[in-house]
Amino acid sequence: GAGVSQSPRYKVTKRGQDVALRCDPISGHVSLYWYRQALGQGPEFLTYFNYEAQQDKSGLPNDRFSAERPEGSISTLTIQRTEQRDSAMYRCASSFDSWRETQYFGPGTRLLVL
Amino acid sequence: KNEVEQSPQNLTAQEGEFITINCSYSVGISALHWLQQHPGGGIVSLFMLSSGKKKHGRLIATINIQEKHSSLHITASHPRDSAVYICAVSPISGTYKYIFGTGTRLKVLA
Repeated sequence: GAGVSQSPRYKVTKRGQDVALRCDPISGHVSLYWYRQALGQGPEFLTYFNYEAQQDKSGLPNDRFSAERPEGSISTLTIQRTEQRDSAMYRCASSFDSWRETQYFGPGTRLLVL
Repeated sequence: KNEVEQSPQNLTAQEGEFITINCSYSVGISALHWLQQHPGGGIVSLFMLSSGKKKHGRLIATINIQEKHSSLHITASHPRDSAVYICAVSPISGTYKYIFGTGTRLKVLA
């Protein structure tokens, strides 16, 4: 596609449920990043993939969060046993390569955990 | 203290005014980025800088590596410039990571 797409755009879930957030990067982009943005704050890094390899997951807050990119294209961020504090905008970005490349951001998925 | 600080946090200007948004950072960087977040939430990359100055239309971005400071200027501001402007850095320690400032919310009044 022309840009990074994410789905769903909005997700409301009950506490304790699992959610899966999808990111479809720009075609041909090697690097993919997940960020979380709280209201009124800048995004915070969660994890990074180079092709299918998860190179850095140091930003994932705890083991309820996981991400995969099995074929080096589409990525899924999964949050298990959601908690209210997980409510945020989850953003995906991609870049052609990681080295000093501009990252292109998706529209985000706004997650609300009730 | 955040590694990337922006000022001001909020800014209201009249149409036509010259606007400056400042960004200071405390880590070694390989590049600095200025991003624009639209009211609808989308984020667009405006500039990537590692030295000097870049210009695109009415937007000018400058960086002083020695002082660890960057500025984003908007000349002849317009209501459509209203958005949140975010400074982000790519740290030397992990070049792929962006570290973000909290953003400057700009409102330009007609």
